[in-house]
Amino acid sequence: EVQLLESGGGLVQPGGSLRLSCAASGFTFKNYGMSWVRQAPGKGLEWVSIFTESGTALYADTVEGRFTISRDNSKNTVYLQMNSLRAEDTSVYYCAKSAAANTVFDSWGQGTLVTVSS
Amino acid sequence: DIQMTQSPPTLSASVGDRVAITCRASQSISSWMAWYQQKPGKAPKLLIYKASSLESGVPSRFSGSGSGIEFTLIISGLQPDDFATYYCQQHNKFPLSFGGGTKVEVK
Repeated sequence: EVQLLESGGGLVQPGGSLRLSCAASGFTFKNYGMSWVRQAPGKGLEWVSIFTESGTALYADTVEGRFTISRDNSKNTVYLQMNSLRAEDTSVYYCAKSAAANTVFDSWGQGTLVTVSS
Repeated sequence: DIQMTQSPPTLSASVGDRVAITCRASQSISSWMAWYQQKPGKAPKLLIYKASSLESGVPSRFSGSGSGIEFTLIISGLQPDDFATYYCQQHNKFPLSFGGGTKVEVK
């Protein structure tokens, strides 16, 4: 059974930094792309970033230059380093696994809440 | 970037109804469309990918159709467990993008 467990969320001041982690199990981690998708309170879904199985990192325009995705295949973990945080980054951040040969998300974590406020 | 427009934003229906949700892309995405179901406080669940392929374990009352820019999710015979919010997502090119969501509520 695929399991994705996010951690690292919390309250941070505007301009601050936070690092999210997602620990994966139940599948061969190195063979799949891993993404972060966020959802502001009461709003829809927004794709944030992906680290593909081939080693490519891609970002949404709204976070490009501020967020960095990385992965450690030896630890089956994907990370999201978030810098220069803004109030509009306040969201639940989900870790999501890509399906084979598709950039759709067939497994999701439970989400971790990031609140950016003074 | 590809914009996804979903309609309607809210849909009131009864158990047993046939429900249709539409998603329009700002440019052609061939058949690279996915649909998700999300319940309050929970992560989304993949229902359909590549416009009409049913994800393993998803009931057959869910179906998808369309190509190019216009796509539809159909729920044939709405069940109590189906009251939720549904999102479309294009998986044709980066940046990936979602529709704004359709909330299916009890009539």
